[in-house]
Amino acid sequence: QVQLRESGPGLVKPSETLSLTCTVAGGSITGYYWSWIRQPPGKGLEWIGYVYYSGSTNYNPSLTSRVTMSVDTSKNQFSLNLNSVTAADAAVYYCARVTRGLGIDYWGQGTLVTVSS
Amino acid sequence: EIVMTQSPATLSVSPGDRATLSCSASQSASINLAWYQQKPGQAPRLLIYATSTRAPGIPARFSGSGSVTEFTLTISSLQSEDFAIYYCQQYNDWPLTFGGGTKVEI
Repeated sequence: QVQLRESGPGLVKPSETLSLTCTVAGGSITGYYWSWIRQPPGKGLEWIGYVYYSGSTNYNPSLTSRVTMSVDTSKNQFSLNLNSVTAADAAVYYCARVTRGLGIDYWGQGTLVTVSS
Repeated sequence: EIVMTQSPATLSVSPGDRATLSCSASQSASINLAWYQQKPGQAPRLLIYATSTRAPGIPARFSGSGSVTEFTLTISSLQSEDFAIYYCQQYNDWPLTFGGGTKVEI
C-alpha cells in the first residue's frame, strides 16, 4: 500500500519561502507524476504542479513564477518550494501521486501551512 | 485551462435517497474525469476515474457517467458515511483542474 507523508514547517513568514517534502513509502517513485495540491481553509482544491520521476516539471500557470519542485529518487522523496509567500498561500498542502489515465490515486494526509510574521 | 463547474453547490438529501451531482467542463475532457470524496479533516479519496470506473474498494452505489463536457456522479442510496464534499477533476490536460465541489448534507 503506497503511503505519502508531508513534512516541513507549519509556519512561514510573509515574503519567505515555503518548503515541503513528501516521502513515499510502500512503492517506487519511478513511473509516476508526483504532485502538490493545496486547499485554503474552507475552500476548494488547487493543483500546484507535478514533478515526474525523471525530474521534469509542470506547474500551474497561476503559480509558475514562484514554484520549484524536485525529486530525489534515492530517498523516494519529492519537494516543493514556493517563494515570496503571502497570506493567500496559507492552506493545507497535500502531496499526491498522479497515475496516467487514472487521476490522483494516492494522497498524503496534508499539512497545514500558516503564513504569519 | 479547462474550467470545471459543479452543481449544485449544496445538495440536501435524506439517508436512502438517490443523489445526482453534476460537473461540466469548459472544453473537452474526453473521458479523463475523476470524482473524489472529502470528509472534514481528511484528504480527498478517489471514487471514480475514467468517468465511470470505480476505484478499488468503492461501493457499487457510486456510479459515474458522461463524456466530453458533461459528467454525473450518482449515489444510488445514500448511507450516513456518504455525507461529504465531492469534487470532480479533469486530467485530460495540464493544469489539472477541479470543480468547486458539491456538499452533500443531511
